[in-house]
Amino acid sequence: DGGITQSPKYLFRKEGQNVTLSCEQNLNHDAMYWYRQDPGQGLRLIYYSQIVNDFQKGDIAEGYSVSREKKESFPLTVTSAQKNPTAFYLCASSRQGAPTDTQYFGPGTRLTVL
Amino acid sequence: AQSVTQLDSQVPVFEEAPVELRCNYSSSVSVYLFWYVQYPNQGLQLLLKYLSGSTLVESINGFEAEFNKSQTSFHLRKPSVHISDTAEYFCAVSGSSNDYKLSFGAGTTVTVRA
Repeated sequence: DGGITQSPKYLFRKEGQNVTLSCEQNLNHDAMYWYRQDPGQGLRLIYYSQIVNDFQKGDIAEGYSVSREKKESFPLTVTSAQKNPTAFYLCASSRQGAPTDTQYFGPGTRLTVL
Repeated sequence: AQSVTQLDSQVPVFEEAPVELRCNYSSSVSVYLFWYVQYPNQGLQLLLKYLSGSTLVESINGFEAEFNKSQTSFHLRKPSVHISDTAEYFCAVSGSSNDYKLSFGAGTTVTVRA
């Protein structure tokens, strides 16, 4: 089945530790995205990538980093510089990154920083 | 840049009753409009979208939305809801300029009761 895989589903980390969230897609999509979801705030864009080896900051990139070395993979690192990292993180992909594209979402990773 | 306002954060409704979720957007250019649905602890799925043409768009599970340019609205309706429609619904907008970004509203939680 084609789709987006995010792992793990739940993640716990101590304050001050970096943590990497995995996102893999087998839809052959060019564009991939990372969003953060907090209650009552909708989704906010962290980073996006429209092509391998290239990515751009979204609206709330501070304290996060990404890489796009392969078309299928777009891992997100939450660094110790992120002041409030506890949230639900969603990865998405779309065919070309055009404004008309449907975005397809993974099941999400819930990160809790203790 | 575009922005989205979802006017209701919570909508309780009885089974088989109609429901309307309100969405207004602001944009200085032509827009593309989307409704996504999120079931508990899952990612988002596209419900329906307006790109061009007929202003009334429908989903396969009985939802419909109407694009109203003069009122800058894209309200979502269903004439008769089921328990399984309990979910969070997000309105989103992207622009016809080169702005690939999808801007989401804060979400409306629909709770269907028997």
